[in-house]
Amino acid sequence: SQKIEQNSEALNIQEGKTATLTCNYTNYSPAYLQWYRQDPGRGPVFLLLIRENEKEKRKERLKVTFDTTLKQSLFHITASQPADSATYLCALLVSGGYNKLIFGAGTRLAVHP
Amino acid sequence: DAGVTQSPTHLIKTRGQHVTLRCSPISGHKSVSWYQQVLGQGPQFIFQYYEKEERGRGNFPDRFSARQFPNYSSELNVNALLLGDSALYLCASSLDGTANEKLFFGSGTQLSVL
Repeated sequence: SQKIEQNSEALNIQEGKTATLTCNYTNYSPAYLQWYRQDPGRGPVFLLLIRENEKEKRKERLKVTFDTTLKQSLFHITASQPADSATYLCALLVSGGYNKLIFGAGTRLAVHP
Repeated sequence: DAGVTQSPTHLIKTRGQHVTLRCSPISGHKSVSWYQQVLGQGPQFIFQYYEKEERGRGNFPDRFSARQFPNYSSELNVNALLLGDSALYLCASSLDGTANEKLFFGSGTQLSVL
């Protein structure tokens, strides 16, 4: 069966450290993978998109890697801050001509001062 | 510029009733998608509309329907509500709804079915 798995347990880290979140998938061949941030009571906010032929993408303190052989994406936040505390969702887009995203359940990140 | 706006923000209904949720996309965006998010899970795709035409449909029963208007706003309708329909309903817009676009989400409508 098709699955997207993110760490179900919350990730607790100290301010200033690097947070690494994992997204694993099975039985999908995604054309794109996206990462979103979601705060309580709000809709997801787009962070980064990476294509299947890209290995790595960076934006400010954020870095995403995409390994289609391992079927895994890693999402890194360097120099983390308490304001980075939120739930982070990975989403796959399987080619089909339109924009249907398949989301994982998300990982909650808590950055402590 | 206004983001994606959804109304109402909260709604309480009883089983068997009907509900209509509304969404206004970002100005210039022609595609609207609807997602259902149950507590503790990621959003699940319901519909995508582009230029008033349904472009994609997720694995939801026929009780769920939607439409898009000439001004690109959209409505999601759910008939014969069940307890399991309780969720956060998210609307997202994008320019053309093509595969490599990011989505802009509204804050959602929290639906509670009693």
